[in-house]
Amino acid sequence: AQSVTQLDSQVPVFEEAPVELRCNYSSSVSVYLFWYVQYPNQGLQLLLKYLSGSTLVKGINGFEAEFNKSQTSFHLRKPSVHISDTAEYFCAVSETGGSNYKLTFGKGTLLTVNP
Amino acid sequence: GAGVSQSPSNKVTEKGKDVELRCDPISGHTALYWYRQRLGQGLEFLIYFQGNSAPDKSGLPSDRFSAERTGESVSTLTIQRTQQEDSAVYLCASSRRQGRLEQYFGPGTRLTVT
Repeated sequence: AQSVTQLDSQVPVFEEAPVELRCNYSSSVSVYLFWYVQYPNQGLQLLLKYLSGSTLVKGINGFEAEFNKSQTSFHLRKPSVHISDTAEYFCAVSETGGSNYKLTFGKGTLLTVNP
Repeated sequence: GAGVSQSPSNKVTEKGKDVELRCDPISGHTALYWYRQRLGQGLEFLIYFQGNSAPDKSGLPSDRFSAERTGESVSTLTIQRTQQEDSAVYLCASSRRQGRLEQYFGPGTRLTVT
């Protein structure tokens, strides 16, 4: 079984500042890693995913994340945020085997970008 | 194209009543998933349908929960004899078989049991 810990439930930042949303996971098997974003009154949308290969993954809207196997982390970063990035962000993990459709999510981090 | 749709968007019901939640997946998506999100918690996997294969029901929390899907179309999640702890947002997602690692989510149904 896997578990995901998002260390910060809320992250307030000012517009144009950099941001890092932290995610750590626990698993006894190899994993795939995901970040989803949920804008107000909308469904979850995939930001980026790590399946294999380069540990630095780039996603939509200027976000990127780095897979660190030794630290079991998959932190999400953006060098300069906009007001429109205000949303809830969820980190998720699945095993790489036959049940890879079964996502385990963290509790989410609410990113609030202030002017 | 149209995304995943769910209905109703909000449902308030009395404890002990049955409720039915509906999900319309993206056309052509053979895989369909149900998740539950309780207040302050992450999403919990409930059930997975893939084409005509037997569904993976391993996440259903009790036998009061059931789900059906006809072919590769609409799915309904039924909760019988609702309890207050069933209050949550119920999310549906769908994906293509080949790209099933990318799940497309609907906006959810907010269920409140009074």
